[in-house]
Amino acid sequence: EVQLLESGGGLVQPGGSQRLSCAASGFTFSSSAMIWVRQTPGKGLEWVAGISGSGGVTYYAASVKGRFTISRDNSKNALYLQMNSLRVEETALYYCAKILNLAEVRGSIWGPGTLVTVSS
Amino acid sequence: DIQMTQSPSTLSASVGDRVTITCRASESVNTWLAWYQQLPGKAPKLLIYKASALESGVPSRFSGSGSGTEFTLTISSLRPDDVATYYCQHYNSYPWTFGQGTKVEIK
Repeated sequence: EVQLLESGGGLVQPGGSQRLSCAASGFTFSSSAMIWVRQTPGKGLEWVAGISGSGGVTYYAASVKGRFTISRDNSKNALYLQMNSLRVEETALYYCAKILNLAEVRGSIWGPGTLVTVSS
Repeated sequence: DIQMTQSPSTLSASVGDRVTITCRASESVNTWLAWYQQLPGKAPKLLIYKASALESGVPSRFSGSGSGTEFTLTISSLRPDDVATYYCQHYNSYPWTFGQGTKVEIK
């Protein structure tokens, strides 16, 4: 069974950093592209970043480019999102999801999410 | 960025009704359009990809159609466990964007 489990959420001050992790199991991790999506009550669902199976190709939303870094460790079946210079409005539930590749969402499976609260 | 607009925002229908949700893109996304179902308190689940292809394991009462800028998700016979928020999402080009969601309720 495909399983994804995010961790690393919590309370962080504005301007601070947080690293999210996503543990994957039940599928060939290195063959799947992965994405991060966040959800807020106000802005709904927002795609944040994506990474190819090999890790060699990455894409970012303009709002996070230069501050967030998506990466993966295929030897550990793990996906990461390093978030720097966090803003209050980035308080959200952050989901990781597996997709077929960076051009096709077929086979998409999402984790339950981890809550990041940016507040002083 | 391509803007995705769903209508209606909320929909109330009776069990057994045929339900249709519309999604419009601000420019053509060809058929690179997905539909998700988000049950209360849960993560989104993929229902439809490539505008009309049913994801494995999804009941056949769900169907999608459209191309270019106008798309629809149809539930042929609404069931109580279909109460959820439904989102469209394009993946024609980066950044991928989502519609604002349509909440489906039972009348």
